[in-house]
Parts: sequence; structure tokens; C-alpha cells
Amino acid sequence: QVQLQESGPGLVKPSQTLSLTCTVSGASITSGRRYWSWIRQSAGKEFEWIGRIFVSGNTDINPSLRSRVTISIDTSKNHFSLRLTSATAADTAMYYCARDISAPGKDAFDIWGQGTMVTVSS
Amino acid sequence: DIRMTQSPSSLSASVGDRVTITCRASQSISYYLNWYQMKPGQAPKLLIFGASSLQSGVPPRFSGGGSGTDFTLTITSLQPEDFATYYCQQSYGTLPYTFGQGTKVDI
Repeated sequence: QVQLQESGPGLVKPSQTLSLTCTVSGASITSGRRYWSWIRQSAGKEFEWIGRIFVSGNTDINPSLRSRVTISIDTSKNHFSLRLTSATAADTAMYYCARDISAPGKDAFDIWGQGTMVTVSS
Repeated sequence: DIRMTQSPSSLSASVGDRVTITCRASQSISYYLNWYQMKPGQAPKLLIFGASSLQSGVPPRFSGGGSGTDFTLTITSLQPEDFATYYCQQSYGTLPYTFGQGTKVDI
């Protein structure tokens, strides 16, 4: 079955760039009409959708983060990535990647990674 | 952004109980409402999509209802593995997607 796995540094210094990768296994990242999303959950337990990428490379980014976020995809490696610049303590969170089925009658995150904790601290 | 408000924020229940969680959207979202279950150390799990459609593999004791601004997630006959935190999420029209603040179901 399709599985997602996040990877990247667990500790980022303030003002530096947070970079994470989500590797997809069990299926090609290009198969089907799929978006691939990044979502985070802060210590306050609120979820925040960060953004998503389609296999074409088109992206949608949360306006609250648009100036700092880049999402990219590497179909040869079957993974997609997140870059968040100018990190601050407010970016400390559990980061999840998820498959986003955006289809008529079904628009939901049907598969999630287990998440990776990122702490922004000096 | 569309604000999602869940209630209650937590509840205590027993095995066999019927549990209902509500989610209210700050504007009409038609039926574009999903429910997720979250347990510590595990990936979130999609339970219900489109307000009332059961995701494949999810037990039928879970059901969803509502449309417009008011939605419910009901668990009939609560099982030990159902003690978790539940989140609603809207996927209506204009991005960004937004989530409710969660409802923790414990003993």
C-alpha cells in the first residue's frame, strides 16, 4: 500500500531554512489525480495546512506562509519537498506530509506520513 | 479563512457508549467536510469524507452527517481502540484548507 515518510533535520536555528522531504513508497508519485500536501501541528495542537503540489509542479501555498514556503517535487526520486525560510520559534511543530485526493465528491487527505518533529531553537 | 469550531474539546466515555462530536464552519461549506482520527505516535487516519462517506476500511460504527455549516461525527458503541483525538477539516472551494481544534475522547 502507499506509504509516506517524512525526513529532515529535527533542529533548525532561528533565521535558517527548514527543509523536509516526503518519500512516497508503494506507488508512483505521478499516478492518478493527486496533490501532495504539507501540514503541520503546533504544540497547541492546531493543524495548519502549509501547501500542496501537483505532479505538474503547480503549487498552492497557504497565504499566511506564501512568502517563506517553497514546495517542489522530484518524480525521479518519488518524493516531494518543503522549504520554509527565515524560521522562527513559531515554526516549531510536527510536520506531516499527506496525499491529497482532490476529486469530485472526495477532497481529503487519505494517506499521511507519521510526522517529523522540527524544533526551531539556537 | 474558514474557521472550524469543534465541540466539545474533550469528553469522557465508556466502552459501548454512543459518542457525538460536532463541528461548525464559519460559513457554508456544503458537504466538504472530513473527519480524522489521531493517536499518539501514529499517522492521522481519514474516517469520513464528504461529510458522510465512510473511508474504505473504517468500521461502520463511525458515521458522519450534516451539511452547510453544522456537522457531526458519531461513534456508536465505542470500542477501546476508538479512544483518540478527532479532527474535522474543510475542503471547500477557496484555499487554505482549515481544521477544527480537535476533540479528545478518553475514558
